[in-house]
Amino acid sequence: DAKTTQPNSMESNEEEPVHLPCNHSTISGTDYIHWYRQLPSQGPEYVIHGLTSNVNNRMASLAIAEDRKSSTLILHRATLRDAAVYYCILRNYGQNFVFGPGTRLSVLP
Amino acid sequence: GAVVSQHPSWVICKSGTSVKIECRSLDFQATTMFWYRQFPKQSLMLMATSNEGSKATYEQGVEKDKFLINHASLTLSTLTVTSAHPEDSSFYICSARDYGSDSYEQYFGPGTRLTVT
Repeated sequence: DAKTTQPNSMESNEEEPVHLPCNHSTISGTDYIHWYRQLPSQGPEYVIHGLTSNVNNRMASLAIAEDRKSSTLILHRATLRDAAVYYCILRNYGQNFVFGPGTRLSVLP
Repeated sequence: GAVVSQHPSWVICKSGTSVKIECRSLDFQATTMFWYRQFPKQSLMLMATSNEGSKATYEQGVEKDKFLINHASLTLSTLTVTSAHPEDSSFYICSARDYGSDSYEQYFGPGTRLTVT
């Protein structure tokens, strides 16, 4: 399984944008980049995923580097409810999800 | 999106007893379901993969006789923790793969917190 590297923790102020980085230098051409988040005592929640192009949805944006060796999850306006552990996962078609330690995001009021 | 439910959401049991956790895909058929375990402050670890109608595949280090998995229908998988001990206390999360989706998306349940006293 291709590996990802994320910072252990990040802090943000409420209503400010948050950029969560993920490095995946060994990504293969068919690996999708998935982002999930996990709120305390809950199961993982899908955030966004992409292959090559940047992606936007109602929750976040995903910016993928041109060489695909890194990506950034962008929360446009952080709220207190966005405090969670964010996981960046590489997954090939039909493969299992392998979770790393993720980034623990704290949002300060 | 598709919904996966788990029951119960939390359970407390005495050491030596068995506990069954159910995982259901509510609006799609899941021929493959996954069971994860998560200890406090740690990430999710895959325990086993279950395919409908066949035996589960366990990850290295997971005792198949202790964690019994049954996937008898396309919408239900169960995990039974047999002869539970305090070290089995953990957060158990199931996930189901939707083969009806274009990219075989996988959806996660809300988790079941098991406490063994």
